[in-house]
Amino acid sequence: EAGVAQSPRYKIIEKRQSVAFWCNPISGHATLYWYQQILGQGPKLLIQFQNNGVVDDSQLPKDRFSAERLKGVDSTLKIQPAKLEDSAVYLCASSLTERGTEAFFGQGTRLTVV
Amino acid sequence: SQQGEEDPQALSIQEGENATMNCSYKTSINNLQWYRQNSGRGLVHLILIRSNEREKHSGRLRVTLDTSKKSSSLLITASRAADTASYFCATGKYTGRRALTFGSGTRLQVQP
Repeated sequence: EAGVAQSPRYKIIEKRQSVAFWCNPISGHATLYWYQQILGQGPKLLIQFQNNGVVDDSQLPKDRFSAERLKGVDSTLKIQPAKLEDSAVYLCASSLTERGTEAFFGQGTRLTVV
Repeated sequence: SQQGEEDPQALSIQEGENATMNCSYKTSINNLQWYRQNSGRGLVHLILIRSNEREKHSGRLRVTLDTSKKSSSLLITASRAADTASYFCATGKYTGRRALTFGSGTRLQVQP
């Protein structure tokens, strides 16, 4: 079974630039999550999708972050404009259901904003 | 905000010793999960314990859950250098805000 695919693995941008991350979840997984993990901390949920609908985006900084999941499969997370404090690893995860079940994580995208 | 808080934040032991990590959480849960994260990698699911369970085993892992104290512990027996990683607890709920909520993690270093 293929795992969760993310790209790119690494990205370095200047502040105020924009950046986009891509995620392909495990086939058949209805739920997709984007987490932000700052160095030395645990993952923090940014947004949760159930199929192509948003379940929880309460912690997404909507003035600069946006995410979509077209056709309930792949997802993209965008930051525009980026700030220095956005430097983090962005993790995509998927699970079979939305009910707090086991999540499968991708390798993450390490973003450095300079 | 973080739901779970792991203790200790860092732990260094010798190969062959047991490692115990604790997790405390704040609200009611339906399950509690433990994940491992090797440096620079994604998280890997280790074990899930439901709220009506008190103890669960998987290989060298033993997890306990005390819902009255809102706490859980993860025991790794006979540790190996390959167990060196960060370990996170995550709480799961079936209603309300259902996304997994992670703690801040315990960094385990197993010295060969």
